[in-house]
Amino acid sequence: ILNVEQSPQSLHVQEGDSTNFTCSFPSSNFYALHWYRWETAKSPEALFVMTLNGDEKKKGRISATLNTKEGYSYLYIKGSQPEDSATYLCAFRGGGFKTIFGAGTRLFVKA
Amino acid sequence: KAGVTQTPRYLIKTRGQQVTLSCSPISGHRSVSWYQQTPGQGLQFLFEYFSETQRNKGNFPGRFSGRQFSNSRSEMNVSTLELGDSALYLCASSSGLADTSGELFFGEGSRLTVL
Repeated sequence: ILNVEQSPQSLHVQEGDSTNFTCSFPSSNFYALHWYRWETAKSPEALFVMTLNGDEKKKGRISATLNTKEGYSYLYIKGSQPEDSATYLCAFRGGGFKTIFGAGTRLFVKA
Repeated sequence: KAGVTQTPRYLIKTRGQQVTLSCSPISGHRSVSWYQQTPGQGLQFLFEYFSETQRNKGNFPGRFSGRQFSNSRSEMNVSTLELGDSALYLCASSSGLADTSGELFFGEGSRLTVL
């Protein structure tokens, strides 16, 4: 059974704080690791798709790293803003084309 | 380019009834995946269809079924509804090809309430 774990489950930060979340996934049969942002009343949207060990991706104030050998990925948000409030999902894609999601980290950014 | 379209967006059913949800993927995408989201839970994988064939299946009872048509549109069906089936059902499309990253593009979901 594929298990994708995310921590923390939820996080409350002040505007301007920097924060990070963790995603752990199986270290075998790895194909890709996805991060999605899911805002209230919207659909999940991809932030990053990473396929290579050591990958680092950046989009504005948000960045992510990937370690496939030990099975973890970090998502960083620098200088959190209220509009960053959302659920951040990571998803593991193995060789069988199945994409399994973690339970998500719910981020609340207070102005 | 049109996004992923799910219908209906909201529906209310009673226990024992059955329901069919529809998903039209992005044009050119051949893979459609279905997920269930309930309060406090992440996205639980139901199944994935590629070129009219079920390629992957999650750990849901046989009451949950699906199919995919030649135009890649997909439907999922839940028979003999139970209260616990109340959830947001999300459909996601992707190219489904082995040489791609598998990025998923989601619809807005169908919110099912079972009374």
